[in-house]
Amino acid sequence: DTEVTQTPKHLVMGMTNKKSLKCEQHMGHRAMYWYKQKAKKPPELMFVYSYEKLSINESVPSRFSPECPNSSLLNLHLHALQPEDSALYLCASSQDRVGETQYFGPGTRLLVL
Amino acid sequence: ELKVEQNPLFLSMQEGKNYTIYCNYSTTSDRLYWYRQDPGKSLESLFVLLSNGAVKQEGRLMASLDTKARLSTLHITAAVHDLSATYFCAGLGAGGTSYGKLTFGQGTILTVHP
Repeated sequence: DTEVTQTPKHLVMGMTNKKSLKCEQHMGHRAMYWYKQKAKKPPELMFVYSYEKLSINESVPSRFSPECPNSSLLNLHLHALQPEDSALYLCASSQDRVGETQYFGPGTRLLVL
Repeated sequence: ELKVEQNPLFLSMQEGKNYTIYCNYSTTSDRLYWYRQDPGKSLESLFVLLSNGAVKQEGRLMASLDTKARLSTLHITAAVHDLSATYFCAGLGAGGTSYGKLTFGQGTILTVHP
């Protein structure tokens, strides 16, 4: 089963709100990723967790805060977002950080008003 | 830093025709992936190409890799409407600041017409 699940599917938030995106996989993968994808653009890497430790932060603004509570879960905490942060947020996981195929979740479509 | 470029960016095909999408990358890449994305949906893994000369086929799609030319191709045979989607190639960085990161091409929007 190569399934990565994400909740919620859609999220509308104001610029003063705090919300969280959740990602879960039960494939025993030890690397998990957050990507941001704007319309008609490729995904852009935000964060990488390897064995529950943050290994890559692509200079993402601090209003995005990742968290990996355990090997199956990945959260993205959102606070004081800007309208330009509206995008599709994709979670992915892979067996290990380097070289293994990344499997993507369905994404959370975020709209910031 | 690894850069990945696809062409064409837009491809309008007639059903039954053949065509090729090209993916060039700038520096050594450990491996090359092809993904498909339907509108409003997530990315589906199609192929992973590991070494020079690798060729993989699934249905009407065939992917190949030439590491010396830093080129991968996705060949579509006898296109059908169901193949309409956006196709991304992505390279896995082998060193420097790109190490271990997946860098995507711009994507090719494929539309298959009757």
